[in-house]
Amino acid sequence: SQQGEEDPQALSIQEGENATMNCSYKTSINNLQWYRQNSGRGLVHLILIRSNEREKHSGRLRVTLDTSKKSSSLLITASRAADTASYFCATVLKTGANNLFFGTGTRLTVIP
Amino acid sequence: KAGVTQTPRYLIKTRGQQVTLSCSPISGHRSVSWYQQTPGQGLQFLFEYFSETQRNKGNFPGRFSGRQFSNSRSEMNVSTLELGDSALYLCASSLAEAGSYTFGSGTRLTVV
Repeated sequence: SQQGEEDPQALSIQEGENATMNCSYKTSINNLQWYRQNSGRGLVHLILIRSNEREKHSGRLRVTLDTSKKSSSLLITASRAADTASYFCATVLKTGANNLFFGTGTRLTVIP
Repeated sequence: KAGVTQTPRYLIKTRGQQVTLSCSPISGHRSVSWYQQTPGQGLQFLFEYFSETQRNKGNFPGRFSGRQFSNSRSEMNVSTLELGDSALYLCASSLAEAGSYTFGSGTRLTVV
């Protein structure tokens, strides 16, 4: 089964608003990554946060990680219509295996 | 630099046939992973190759196989295709252990 669950499944906001997506996972991780996917195309890496980090920023993106709750959140500030996409969290486990376990994804729609 | 290249982009096959998908990673990336994406199961890990060796395998039947060549290019093969194999197949390459991945645009396989 997938490692993570994301919430909400879908989110619709107005341009300029902030969007927050949450991700929960099940087992101990090495790191957690967020990816974006436009219309069934390839995934684009957004940000990676390691298990010993609590918060990370990249441009308009802010990611938090709470390993005690096994959860992460992705905040997109001042959203734009071009941010419309599906967003996935993915974990790399502490087991040493080098593959990603993906969450279920959040479909974000930003209305111009 | 060139990204991850997957060929073909689209493929239509008949049940019972076999198919081979190709992936050329980013130059210098020795780890290549394959993922299957379907509406029902989401993104699932198939296998990972590193220096021509399969390092990790997901929970897929033996009909799914792959290999990696000395130039890091990878192929995956699906034999005796079933309708349920219809999916977007994504290849990703990585430079570092437990690092971020660069994904290709995927191959959309339709089994009829």
